[in-house]
Amino acid sequence: DVKVTQSSRYLVKRTGEKVFLECVQDMDHENMFWYRQDPGLGLRLIYFSYDVKMKEKGDIPEGYSVSREKKERFSLILESASTNQTSMYLCASSLWSGLVNEQFFGPGTRLTVL
Amino acid sequence: TQLLEQSPQFLSIQEGENLTVYCNSSSVFSSLQWYRQEPGEGPVLLVTVVTGGEVKKLKRLTFQFGDARKDSSLHITAAQPGDTGLYLCAGVNQGGKLIFGQGTELSVKP
Repeated sequence: DVKVTQSSRYLVKRTGEKVFLECVQDMDHENMFWYRQDPGLGLRLIYFSYDVKMKEKGDIPEGYSVSREKKERFSLILESASTNQTSMYLCASSLWSGLVNEQFFGPGTRLTVL
Repeated sequence: TQLLEQSPQFLSIQEGENLTVYCNSSSVFSSLQWYRQEPGEGPVLLVTVVTGGEVKKLKRLTFQFGDARKDSSLHITAAQPGDTGLYLCAGVNQGGKLIFGQGTELSVKP
């Protein structure tokens, strides 16, 4: 079974703090993704990476950055957290074959920015 | 911007009833997936459909991909409380990117 783990299930931070969200997958997948999920808006892609040290912007990259130093680990960084970044953050990994992009998700991190 | 419209957004039914969730777009997808997400957890992949007109069954769940590969449906027969959750459809567009629908929140009452 693919296992994707996220460093925290719940996190509370203050406005202006730097926040690190860590994600680790154990299935040697090339591709990793960070989404945020908000009620009524579905899943929105923040960043993705298709190889070590490679990253691509998703649909809503503003206010976020990422790091992929090792194949199994993909980190999301909020440089200066703001209240509108309060959300559920989901990490996923996949084998992306072109026609099919089956993603395996971690349990999520519910981030609250006060 | 490609969109996947899911309907209904919310569904509350009694145990034993049947239901259908729809996922529609004006765009063609290479494949389409259905996920289920329980509260406080990440989405879990249920099925992938690739061929237009394809039908897949998973116990009491039946998934269909439209002939033109622009739409899909999920039908649940004799729903049970364990089916409660958020159902998400997601299509792979021509560029290989996964586009998610907004989800259908299903509640099955005993």
